[in-house]
Amino acid sequence: NAGVTQTPKFQVLKTGQSMTLQCAQDMNHEYMSWYRQDPGMGLRLIHYSVGAGITDQGEVPNGYNVSRSTTEDFPLRLLSAAPSQTSVYFCAAQGGYTEAFFGQGTRLTVV
Amino acid sequence: DQQVKQNSPSLSVQEGRISILNCDYTNSMFDYFLWYKKYPAEGPTFLISISSIKDKNEDGRFTVFLNKSAKHLSLHIVPSQPGDSAVYFCAASETNDYKLSFGAGTTVTVRA
Repeated sequence: NAGVTQTPKFQVLKTGQSMTLQCAQDMNHEYMSWYRQDPGMGLRLIHYSVGAGITDQGEVPNGYNVSRSTTEDFPLRLLSAAPSQTSVYFCAAQGGYTEAFFGQGTRLTVV
Repeated sequence: DQQVKQNSPSLSVQEGRISILNCDYTNSMFDYFLWYKKYPAEGPTFLISISSIKDKNEDGRFTVFLNKSAKHLSLHIVPSQPGDSAVYFCAASETNDYKLSFGAGTTVTVRA
């Protein structure tokens, strides 16, 4: 049982480039979310989805887009990467108002 | 403004002794609290949780205490083991809300 799978694990982008961080879950959980982790800041919510076709903004949504066409997949798009988006990104899935299960993370560096 | 605060960035404890991690929150609507453990290059993993209707929850070596009036919770690890060396995050959510608010984390180092 893989749980939550994120790809890639590492990525280096140049300023202005775009890319998509992939997230897939095999737990059939309705709720999925994206967080970024920065030193001294903990994890901050970027976007979330309560089911296929439904997405909403979290605490730090600027510069990111999401879509949810299936229960399993929740990709995060960076439209025009900026150095401020250098961070570690975590995708999570939840089956209810309980604990979230996290992927292993994507370490992104924007130069 | 962070609604969940972990004011101790790091904690060093000897193997076999107790580790006490603290967490404060400002949002009185929070009613579900969680602790996550994170190793380097891995995602956070769920450790233990507590609902606001309780003041204590225990799972093996891990106990979480909640003081609602003080808006404070703590995680006790007894006895501490070398494998407990990790970053610990406190998190909270409101009633019927999936969104989690996280603290900045406390790095625990267990010395042999």
